[in-house]
Amino acid sequence: GENVEQHPSTLSVQEGDSAVIKCTYSDSASNYFPWYKQELGKRPQLIIDIRSNVGEKKDQRIAVTLNKTAKHFSLHITETQPEDSAVYFCAARHFNKFYFGSGTKLNVKP
Amino acid sequence: GAVVSQHPSRVICKSGTSVKIECRSLDFQATTMFWYRQFPKQSLMLMATSNEGSKATYEQGVEKDKFLINHASLTLSTLTVTSAHPEDSSFYICSAPDGGRAKNIQYFGAGTRLSVL
Repeated sequence: GENVEQHPSTLSVQEGDSAVIKCTYSDSASNYFPWYKQELGKRPQLIIDIRSNVGEKKDQRIAVTLNKTAKHFSLHITETQPEDSAVYFCAARHFNKFYFGSGTKLNVKP
Repeated sequence: GAVVSQHPSRVICKSGTSVKIECRSLDFQATTMFWYRQFPKQSLMLMATSNEGSKATYEQGVEKDKFLINHASLTLSTLTVTSAHPEDSSFYICSAPDGGRAKNIQYFGAGTRLSVL
C-alpha cells in the first residue's frame, strides 16, 4: 500500500493567523491528494484536492501545494476563523485506494 | 455533491452477535466502495475495497471472515461484523467515489459507531 505521514498532530493558532499542515507519502505512483475536514462525530468533508500534474491549487482561504519530487504536500489556511477548528486529514490515492494521514487537530482561538 | 447514506448510525450489541452495516450511494452508481475503521482521535484505516460483482479485497491484517463484505448492487455495499467482541468496538465509515460527475472524489457516509458489550 501507501504510507502517508502527517504533521503536526495538533495545531493551535490565533484567529486571523495562518495554519499549515504537512503530509508526506511514500510511493510516487500516488497521483491524487485530497484534504478532508472532520468535525467531531461527523463524516469527513472534502475541502480541497490536488492532482499530481499540478503544483498548487487555491480556493479562497485554502491552498494546497504539492512537491512530487520530495513526495510531500501541504495544506495552507489563511485568515483562520474559529469555525475552521476541526480535525484535518490528508490522503493519497494509490492505485484507486485512498490512504489517510493520522490527522491534525486544529484549534483556532478567538 | 453526491450523497452516501450509511445505516445504522449507532449500534450497541452483545458480544458474540453479528452486526450488519449498510452503505448506499443515493444519486450515483458505485462499482467500488471503501470501508474504513476509525479509532478515537485516530485516522481512517482502510479495511477493504468492496467491488460490485466480485469479491472484496482486504487490506493486510484485516480478517475477511470477521468482516464480511457484500456488494449486492451498484448502489449498496454491506459490512457484517461477525461474532463481534469488545475489541471490534469502533467507528466504521464507508465511502464511494463518484466516477461519473466528479471522477474519483470520495463521498463518505456518516459513519456507524459500534459498541460491543
